[in-house]
Amino acid sequence: GAGVSQSPSNKVTEKGKDVELRCDPISGHTALYWYRQSLGQGLEFLIYFQGNSAPDKSGLPSDRFSAERTGGSVSTLTIQRTQQEDSAVYLCASSLRGPYEQYFGPGTRLTVT
Amino acid sequence: RKEVEQDPGPFNVPEGATVAFNCTYSNSASQSFFWYRQDCRKEPKLLMSVYSSGNEDGRFTAQLNRASQYISLLIRDSKLSDSATYLCVVNAGSYIPTFGRGTSLIVHP
Repeated sequence: GAGVSQSPSNKVTEKGKDVELRCDPISGHTALYWYRQSLGQGLEFLIYFQGNSAPDKSGLPSDRFSAERTGGSVSTLTIQRTQQEDSAVYLCASSLRGPYEQYFGPGTRLTVT
Repeated sequence: RKEVEQDPGPFNVPEGATVAFNCTYSNSASQSFFWYRQDCRKEPKLLMSVYSSGNEDGRFTAQLNRASQYISLLIRDSKLSDSATYLCVVNAGSYIPTFGRGTSLIVHP
């Protein structure tokens, strides 16, 4: 079946611009996570959605970052007024339930110039 | 102490070798454990879950040592295609799993 998809695969933007990153989870997966990974670094948790519950936003690094999940499916991560330190690969993962086996999308490589 | 620690490596081994990685965790309440594999510039992919009794999948064996708070991954008969970074993931009962920073494995001819 289809895996997790993300778009765009690459995004180059100028400092100060807003960007939107999209994630389509595996159908039927109720849990959705966003992470980011900087070059040579580990995964940094950003936000977690579970069904229709309020998301856990505890990993968002600043108020420039926000995310939503519509209809319990597609999710969008928005970064406002991008900064160079936002450059990273943004990964989305979904799982059937909670923090168990997660399936990752291919990521969006964001470069802020 | 970091929540989840891994030796970054790289572990450089010849084809056919047996190699093992450990991952230590600090929270004794940790409940579930996983190994993921990440190829260069690719997303992490689930390799295997780690069960209390240990589990094996082909050439790969994962074990959990709760007393010493670590999990291990053993790879037998290494293949060139096993070259990757291996991430351990620990969940202490919250919805937010903790990822280690990974151990790099290079298998050479």
